[in-house]
Amino acid sequence: DAGVTQSPTHLIKTRGQHVTLRCSPISGHKSVSWYQQVLGQGPQFIFQYYEKEERGRGNFPDRFSARQFPNYSSELNVNALLLGDSALYLCASSLYREYDGNTIYFGEGSWLTVV
Amino acid sequence: GQNIDQPTEMTATEGAIVQINCTYQTSGFNGLFWYQQHAGEAPTFLSYNVLDGLEEKGRFSSFLSRSKGYSYLLLKELQMKDSASYLCAVPLKAAGNKLTFGGGTRVLVKP
Repeated sequence: DAGVTQSPTHLIKTRGQHVTLRCSPISGHKSVSWYQQVLGQGPQFIFQYYEKEERGRGNFPDRFSARQFPNYSSELNVNALLLGDSALYLCASSLYREYDGNTIYFGEGSWLTVV
Repeated sequence: GQNIDQPTEMTATEGAIVQINCTYQTSGFNGLFWYQQHAGEAPTFLSYNVLDGLEEKGRFSSFLSRSKGYSYLLLKELQMKDSASYLCAVPLKAAGNKLTFGGGTRVLVKP
């Protein structure tokens, strides 16, 4: 079975541009979360989506948005990119919305560099 | 709110044992994760503790004390491939898979 897949794996953008990152969860998983990991730090929660609805949002500006599709895949969008948005963006997949002890699986991430 | 603390970096010799401590403060406890993350890669699941005590999985063991807000990850018989960052994380109760992570402990294994 395929794990969590993310695309693109690496990309370079210019300040002010827009970026879309994509994630496909593990088959059967309905919950997708997004994390930002700046070099040398732990991941920071951005969004959680379950059954196509936003179920949680971290402390990120409105430039960050996301959505989940009927097939449970998800997109993370970032507008008006800043240098500080350079990071590894991780997608996490799990079976349920509420935490019940099931394991959370991470994708390989998308490395975003803003120049 | 939630606060998680772990040491920034540790160095150990191949074959030795290293213990990575994690202290947490959370308004509602629903277990604690340990993840391993090699440079440039995604975090991979190591352990999940929800009850007090020690859980052993091969060379890796994880301990939890809920009353003390404390956990540790024990790595035995260290191998060079164990050089990585180790992340302690707690899920926010009733908030799905929103995990709050510590800053990670970078472990360097030397020959």
